[in-house]
Amino acid sequence: GQNIDQPTEMTATEGAIVQINCTYQTSGFNGLFWYQQHAGEAPTFLSYNVLDGLEEKGRFSSFLSRSKGYSYLLLKELQMKDSASYLCAVTDSNYQLIWGAGTKLIIKP
Amino acid sequence: GAVVSQHPSRVICKSGTSVKIECRSLDFQATTMFWYRQFPKQSLMLMATSNEGSKATYEQGVEKDKFLINHASLTLSTLTVTSAHPEDSSFYICSARGLRGGDYEQYFGPGTRLTVT
Repeated sequence: GQNIDQPTEMTATEGAIVQINCTYQTSGFNGLFWYQQHAGEAPTFLSYNVLDGLEEKGRFSSFLSRSKGYSYLLLKELQMKDSASYLCAVTDSNYQLIWGAGTKLIIKP
Repeated sequence: GAVVSQHPSRVICKSGTSVKIECRSLDFQATTMFWYRQFPKQSLMLMATSNEGSKATYEQGVEKDKFLINHASLTLSTLTVTSAHPEDSSFYICSARGLRGGDYEQYFGPGTRLTVT
């Protein structure tokens, strides 16, 4: 079956760095997405990785290792507004998105 | 960036009535549109995938006669919840995907909060 695992909840301090991990087992792979979702809102796109390595975009970076079926989202200089759920999603061989359950990130002052 | 709109953003209806939700891609042609449902504190659940001009493909456990999907054009898809019941109360989100130079990203609408009383 297809499976995406990520931690249910994480807590971090304002100004710090946090890494959210995602492991996946899917039928085929055509890219991995990270989305941010605030409560009561639709997801918004953060990053897309299809090749191994690190993609940096401002305070957010995303890493992919296809051989390990592993990705992480790195958030630096955390701000209170970063409190949200972070969803990992993998595009399978049919270009369908397979979603993880999301990681709720709580930022404390 | 690509923009997807949904209408209405919130709707309250009585049990037994039908509700139609519209999803539009405003600045690109969406070859494929997806409908998701999200219950509180849960992840997105894909309900169905629709390609313009063809019948929608429903996920297992989703009643196609209850959730009617029409994707009549490259910019519009509609989801009609027929004979709605309180258990259909949820956050419904559409997303659209267009082929732009190999970009397979899905662009999400803002969602529709449905409450059935």
